[in-house]
Amino acid sequence: GESVGLHLPTLSVQEGDNSIINCAYSNSASDYFIWYKQESGKGPQFIIDIRSNMDKRQGQRVTVLLNKTVKHLSLQIAATQPGDSAVYFCAENRGGRGGGNKLTFGTGTQLKVEL
Amino acid sequence: DAGVIQSPRHEVTEMGQEVTLRCKPISGHDYLFWYRQTMMRGLELLIYFNNNVPIDDSGMPEDRFSAKMPNASFSTLKIQPSEPRDSAVYFCASSLRRTGGSDTQYFGPGTRLTVL
Repeated sequence: GESVGLHLPTLSVQEGDNSIINCAYSNSASDYFIWYKQESGKGPQFIIDIRSNMDKRQGQRVTVLLNKTVKHLSLQIAATQPGDSAVYFCAENRGGRGGGNKLTFGTGTQLKVEL
Repeated sequence: DAGVIQSPRHEVTEMGQEVTLRCKPISGHDYLFWYRQTMMRGLELLIYFNNNVPIDDSGMPEDRFSAKMPNASFSTLKIQPSEPRDSAVYFCASSLRRTGGSDTQYFGPGTRLTVL
């Protein structure tokens, strides 16, 4: 069936380096995508989102890129810090009954920042 | 705003017992979602409400699970009877529908349920 999946389960980077977390999706009808960060013992926290009519969106130290041709989404974190260590999830909004924001989450990537 | 509030934060119970999880969404939000997270299955949407009305419960695993939203500021997820395979972290999230905009879901801290 259709799903959202992540390429790498674990990513280790050196502090100060840039991190790139990838996500593949399969539903062409999804109209927007979200990245969440989940720290140990906490709920997912919104980082950044992007609509399907955009290719790139930037936030504070983070950039999301969307390639609709190959159905690929990436999250770039600049100057990675120890506080960035967490599990990162991509999620797609496939739409839902009632116009709700029904999200389907990927499996997650563990980002480990080494000092 | 205090964000989404869930209680209890941790629950340990024995197989066969009834479990009730509680959620208070962010004030003014009109959507409420219940998720379950396990290592094996990741984050799964169980059910969501719009203006207190259940819209999609296709993710509810079986009849042992039920959810209610009696008013805009409170929802419960009940498991009766509970089984060891129900052990997971249960998250509640809420969002506000914006016309033409994206609807960010804000998650609570979760309830870690252990069924012995």
